[in-house]
Amino acid sequence: QKEVEQDPGPLSVPEGAIVSLNCTYSNSAFQYFMWYRQYSRKGPELLMYTYSSGNKEDGRFTAQVDKSSKYISLFIRDSQPSDSATYLCAMGREGQKLVFGQGTRLTINP
Amino acid sequence: SAVISQKPSRDICQRGTSLTIQCQVDSQVTMMFWYRQQPGQSLTLIATANQGSEATYESGFVIDKFPISRPNLTFSTLTVSNMSPEDSSIYLCSVGGTGQINTEAFFGQGTRLTVV
Repeated sequence: QKEVEQDPGPLSVPEGAIVSLNCTYSNSAFQYFMWYRQYSRKGPELLMYTYSSGNKEDGRFTAQVDKSSKYISLFIRDSQPSDSATYLCAMGREGQKLVFGQGTRLTINP
Repeated sequence: SAVISQKPSRDICQRGTSLTIQCQVDSQVTMMFWYRQQPGQSLTLIATANQGSEATYESGFVIDKFPISRPNLTFSTLTVSNMSPEDSSIYLCSVGGTGQINTEAFFGQGTRLTVV
């Protein structure tokens, strides 16, 4: 069983739709949770960061962490074609390497 | 934040040859990380490069195949040795992401390697 599971997609939605991306994990020791966005031919960039359980909102993006279920989500509201990218979840704990999900390839169609 | 310059950005190499990838960071960092990202796959950590000591390799990766140098706190190289088509991948260097204070991992733009 992988430490972090993420549906690779691809996921294609119309512009303006709400997008939901998810990851599950098995290691209850993870303390912080992140979402990275990777455009084609670029390195990943940090999009959202959450420490422990809860929600965090930043503009059109909302990250949710449910540690009891070992489940994290990223919601994108009013999706735009510029949101088309691969989204990777990542999680870690103090002093340890990050563990990445497989990445979900998302396309927003105009 | 950290700005990472990685080169080459891409290369096409013959099997059996070696390629050295360079990674330059605009600030001094203790740890640098090398990842591989195969098509449609996630990031797989190859090794952690610490200045002044040998790199620490993850399971499945060995120094003979992926020798790493870390001559100072802002620079590292990864060599992919005796390449085969299975080594075709994107290779990324990274810093950060190791703790609550040093949370964000920064990445270079990657080196897209094709072995023919």
